[in-house]
Amino acid sequence: DTEVTQTPKHLVMGMTNKKSLKCEQHMGHRAMYWYKQKAKKPPELMFVYSYEKLSINESVPSRFSPECPNSSLLNLHLHALQPEDSALYLCASSQEGQHGELFFGEGSRLTVL
Amino acid sequence: GNSVTQMEGPVTLSEEAFLTINCTYTATGYPSLFWYVQYPGEGLQLLLKATKADDKGSNKGFEATYRKETTSFHLEKGSVQVSDSAVYFCALNLRSGYSTLTFGKGTMLLVSP
Repeated sequence: DTEVTQTPKHLVMGMTNKKSLKCEQHMGHRAMYWYKQKAKKPPELMFVYSYEKLSINESVPSRFSPECPNSSLLNLHLHALQPEDSALYLCASSQEGQHGELFFGEGSRLTVL
Repeated sequence: GNSVTQMEGPVTLSEEAFLTINCTYTATGYPSLFWYVQYPGEGLQLLLKATKADDKGSNKGFEATYRKETTSFHLEKGSVQVSDSAVYFCALNLRSGYSTLTFGKGTMLLVSP
């Protein structure tokens, strides 16, 4: 199993809603990532969890709240988002000793109204 | 700092044409180099990688050689297909442990029949 699975694939939410994006991998990887990608741009790193501990937070606004319940799961909790937060949110995972190769999910496309 | 520079797109080719997408990098060390591909509406997939100088990565007819002397990792394919139409990202990683990929801006490839 070499997949990173993200749900939902599409999400529309209002600025007052609370929602969550979910990510799962069963490759035994010990690092998991959230990226944000705007149209026609490269992915931008948001958060890195390594061994279930938050290792990098790239100055992301607090309306985005990550959670890593266990080594296979990664969540991104969303609250009071702004329309400019509309983007493709990508989850990825990696294994040490693989030179930094990331395995990406298909992404969750978020639209904030 | 570390950076990746890719040629501007879109690159427009006819089917069976030869493809080159240029990628050069700046890094304070000896990075691993990657090409990722993103098909419309999908996440990123690793296309190929090279982890040390003079390594050649190859996959699905695509090739790229790690050139330390020119700090380059150009992507080539001898005969493109319509199904190769996608956005291609060059990236580097310097860090061991969890990854901190530095992406280029991406190059869109459009192949017409």
